[in-house]
Amino acid sequence: SQQGEEDPQALSIQEGENATMNCSYKTSINNLQWYRQNSGRGLVHLILIRSNEREKHSGRLRVTLDTSKKSSSLLITASRAADTASYFCARGGATNKLIFGTGTLLAVQP
Amino acid sequence: NAGVTQTPKFRVLKTGQSMTLLCAQDMNHEYMYWYRQDPGMGLRLIHYSVGEGTTAKGEVPDGYNVSRLKKQNFLLGLESAAPSQTSVYFCASTRGAMRLNTEAFFGQGTRLTVV
Repeated sequence: SQQGEEDPQALSIQEGENATMNCSYKTSINNLQWYRQNSGRGLVHLILIRSNEREKHSGRLRVTLDTSKKSSSLLITASRAADTASYFCARGGATNKLIFGTGTLLAVQP
Repeated sequence: NAGVTQTPKFRVLKTGQSMTLLCAQDMNHEYMYWYRQDPGMGLRLIHYSVGEGTTAKGEVPDGYNVSRLKKQNFLLGLESAAPSQTSVYFCASTRGAMRLNTEAFFGQGTRLTVV
């Protein structure tokens, strides 16, 4: 399978805590993207980090990329109940495809 | 602005029946994709298109066909549905190729059950 792996598969935290999700992949990339999916809905793009970038921020989101280890992490700071969702990483390579990982289910308890 | 619209939203098929899922985007995007989402499997790419009149196979193309006769529409067909095709299907579109660092826009999904 070309899919990447994400861990943990599920994460439960309290409101206000930080949440960290990790993504690993096997082949070279042009970019690594993170998406959120609320239950029963379509995916929404959160952030894109290019292969020549190491860190990127967007509001409460921080993404890092380590191409030598073929891994990325998504940090959500000061989490809120509304952050409860599934989070997916997706890699964009030299091909025309966008390949998704298996996702992390985040539950933020109020 | 509608973005990416999928029809229908729900469908129940009997084994062996055929159907077509329609995806329409109003953003003038070149690239369109069909994914299926199954529990524990994430999203898997079925077919994709890099422009009007083109199609290409993704990771799990067997049992599906696609057509892109118009730039704004991408159709996914099941000729003879099987229970293994029970899934949630998502359509997505991007302005350009992945190597150009472009984000994807998704439809709301079609929940298909094959009995």
